[in-house]
Amino acid sequence: TQLLEQSPQFLSIQEGENLTVYCNSSSVFSSLQWYRQEPGEGPVLLVTVVTGGEVKKLKRLTFQFGDARKDSSLHITAAQPGDTGLYLCAGVEREYGNKLVFGAGTILRVKS
Amino acid sequence: EAGVAQSPRYKIIEKRQSVAFWCNPISGHATLYWYQQILGQGPKLLIQFQNNGVVDDSQLPKDRFSAERLKGVDSTLKIQPAKLEDSAVYLCASSHYRGRDYGYTFGSGTRLTVV
Repeated sequence: TQLLEQSPQFLSIQEGENLTVYCNSSSVFSSLQWYRQEPGEGPVLLVTVVTGGEVKKLKRLTFQFGDARKDSSLHITAAQPGDTGLYLCAGVEREYGNKLVFGAGTILRVKS
Repeated sequence: EAGVAQSPRYKIIEKRQSVAFWCNPISGHATLYWYQQILGQGPKLLIQFQNNGVVDDSQLPKDRFSAERLKGVDSTLKIQPAKLEDSAVYLCASSHYRGRDYGYTFGSGTRLTVV
């Protein structure tokens, strides 16, 4: 099983600030997904990136997949209190039956 | 479409007791997963089913955990006997191929507390 490292582990910022969360691996994944999880709920899929160098935007969220398909980043512009939650990156291991391997997560707190 | 259903939502048991969790995936999703999520950590895969066959159970503590997926639909995860370190949220997910990638849907989870 390949490992995914996320950084930072915890982020506390003021409303309106920008932030970036990183997800890194030494191995290549067939695709990479980003999830957001709120307390008491399961992770909810935000985006899937498949192609090296791919950039996807979801309103104020920008997701990027590294050229070598080993790393990814999530950038939030002008963060809002509603963005507070646990952000998880997950790699899809196609050669292992499409197993989803998660990073440890980044806890984001946006203060108003 | 209806989501992944899990029950119960919460369970408190004493150590050495047994407990079972139930999951009903999204209709038509062939692949079903059980994950364990300890507070403050990312989910860890316990077992993955493709229809009613096991694809990966390498991280399932088989001396105390067991899982089955009868008829390739519903699934149950059992712990017997439970230990304090089993306190966690147990998430069920199902997935399907969307032509370019796989879509995964998670249930709300069962929060287990072992005292």
